[in-house]
Amino acid sequence: IVLTQSPAILSLSPGERATLSCRASLSVDKFLAWYQQKVGQPPRLLIYDISFRATGTPARFSGSGSGTDFTLTISSLEPEDFAVYYCHQRRSWPPVTFGGGTKVE
Amino acid sequence: QVRLVESGGDVVQPGRSLRLSCKASGFMFSHFAMHWIRQAPGKGPQWVAFISSDGSDTYYTDSVKGRFIISRDNSKNTLDLEMNFLTPEDTALYYCARDYQPNEVLVLPEFDPRGQGALVTVS
Repeated sequence: IVLTQSPAILSLSPGERATLSCRASLSVDKFLAWYQQKVGQPPRLLIYDISFRATGTPARFSGSGSGTDFTLTISSLEPEDFAVYYCHQRRSWPPVTFGGGTKVE
Repeated sequence: QVRLVESGGDVVQPGRSLRLSCKASGFMFSHFAMHWIRQAPGKGPQWVAFISSDGSDTYYTDSVKGRFIISRDNSKNTLDLEMNFLTPEDTALYYCARDYQPNEVLVLPEFDPRGQGALVTVS
């Protein structure tokens, strides 16, 4: 399953709302997750099963969607949220697949 | 706290072999499925391999199938990745990651936030 993320780059200011999209080539049911990666660090699991926040994920992060179209929303950007975000599917594996990423700058 | 420390990265010539290791601490290693994930320079993560908590089940991405072997030693809290017939396309930073919950197969890699990965350069 191929995951396509848009936009590639999202230019916003602190305090603004960020909306990131992920489209799957086939339905992934509920098995869609979001990861955040900062420079020099491994990815961090933020959201799994479309909308469940992983341990430690702030409430300003929310996930939505169904089937093949999904959205990660950051309600009000904090300085530490500027990073690259990847969607991830585990509906059909192997292989587990990641999207190409959206950089929030 | 959870620690996953990778080692064994190196510069190797195409066609050669390399073995990566990951030392786990701070959690019940034997209760968690584990993954290897790699990230080529400037690219997104790529899942490489999975092993169940008891080591009985393993899965690989197609590009490494038949060349890489994932294994674990629950008595030593270690995860290994034996990589054979390396090609330049295997050049990447390799991370080990645990599955998100114990005693389940979720296929949700969770990384050590302080993880440095093991850098493999095939050239």
